[in-house]
Amino acid sequence: EAGVTQFPSHSVIEKGQTVTLRCDPISGHDNLYWYRRVMGKEIKFLLHFVKESKQDESGMPNNRFLAERTGGTYSTLKVQPAELEDSGVYFCASSLRDRLVDDEQYFGPGTRLTVT
Amino acid sequence: KQEVTQIPAALSVPEGENLVLNCSFTDSAIYNLQWFRQDPGKGLTSLLLIQSSQREQTSGRLNASLDKSSGRSTLYIAASQPGDSATYLCAVAGANSKLTFGKGITLSVRP
Repeated sequence: EAGVTQFPSHSVIEKGQTVTLRCDPISGHDNLYWYRRVMGKEIKFLLHFVKESKQDESGMPNNRFLAERTGGTYSTLKVQPAELEDSGVYFCASSLRDRLVDDEQYFGPGTRLTVT
Repeated sequence: KQEVTQIPAALSVPEGENLVLNCSFTDSAIYNLQWFRQDPGKGLTSLLLIQSSQREQTSGRLNASLDKSSGRSTLYIAASQPGDSATYLCAVAGANSKLTFGKGITLSVRP
């Protein structure tokens, strides 16, 4: 069974440009999460999809970030325009069940975003 | 607001030593707790998940315990090996499913 995949693995862009990150969850997982780790900080939650619906987007830093999950399969996270403080590693995770005690989240390898 | 603390930030031990990694959290109303391993430049690998109703989970040389009432979890690694060198992250899930992470403990096992 394929795990969570993310593309690209690394992206270097200039301030003001746009970048789109993609996440393919494990097949059959309705729940998809985005997290981010900026330098020196802990990994922080960005948002949670259940199928194609945004369940919780309380962690999205501002309106420069737009996440979509059309059709309830893969998800994209667009940053437009990118700022220097957006640099970090963006992780995607998926899980089979929601709001149950054994809801294990499986993480992808992450996308390292560098904004110069 | 849930906060997760992992101390120390780094640990170096000789090969063969048994060791304990600590994790503490401020809000005991959790659904589960996960321990992850992260190798440099890699993603997170789930090691153990403990449900809120459980006290411990075991996988090979790893044993994780959970004391919800005191807001603590420990990850015990038996007979450490150089291949265990990595960053170990603790994360707790609340009612909204999102994980709150600690900053991690970077473990180095010396041959």
